[in-house]
Amino acid sequence: EVQLVQSGAEVKRPGEFLRISCKGSEYSFATYWIAWVRQMSGKGLEFMGIIYPGDSDTRYSPSFQGQVTISADKSSNTAYLQWRSLEASDTAMYFCARLSAFAGPVVGNFDSWGQGTLVTVSS
Amino acid sequence: HSALTQPASVSGSSGQSITISCTGTSSDVGDNKYVSWYQQHPGKAPKLMIYDVSSRPSGVSNRFSGSKSGNTASLTISGLQAEDEADYFCCSFTSGNSPYVFGTGTTVTVL
Repeated sequence: EVQLVQSGAEVKRPGEFLRISCKGSEYSFATYWIAWVRQMSGKGLEFMGIIYPGDSDTRYSPSFQGQVTISADKSSNTAYLQWRSLEASDTAMYFCARLSAFAGPVVGNFDSWGQGTLVTVSS
Repeated sequence: HSALTQPASVSGSSGQSITISCTGTSSDVGDNKYVSWYQQHPGKAPKLMIYDVSSRPSGVSNRFSGSKSGNTASLTISGLQAEDEADYFCCSFTSGNSPYVFGTGTTVTVL
């Protein structure tokens, strides 16, 4: 069974650096796109960006371009989402999700999801 | 890319059918077959319920069905059950400057 396991909840101060992770297992991690999705408290899902671990091809939503960095390490089957300088408005739940298309273009559906990582930014 | 438009809430009695709409544009919903629907219970991760407009993943009840007409996709839940109470989000691949966009989300209540 495909599994995506995310790192634990984080509590940070504004201006701090943060990197959260998403580790895939039971499938060929390098050959499936991994997306990051934000969900603020009581709100909807927002697509942030997506990465192909095989060659680190990355696409961002304009809303998040320049605000976060998405990366992946195919040797450890792990994708990352990082902030150089957190803001209070980054407080949210963050999900990673696998795109269904095998070794193909960035088209498909999100067929497996991580359990979510809650990020709280407060002074 | 603006979020796809869904009704904020839909309700129905147990056993009834309900339909949730998801309205986009010719650059997303109207442009391709990669429209999907996700169910999310409180405090849980989303779960894929419908993919490629109308296909059901293995294990998803056949009470869930999807369709599309023009720029609007729809999710129908027939024989509504208490366990169907959840938030539902549509999602579409886009030909715009972001590869994917989600809908605004719909809360389903079983009366």
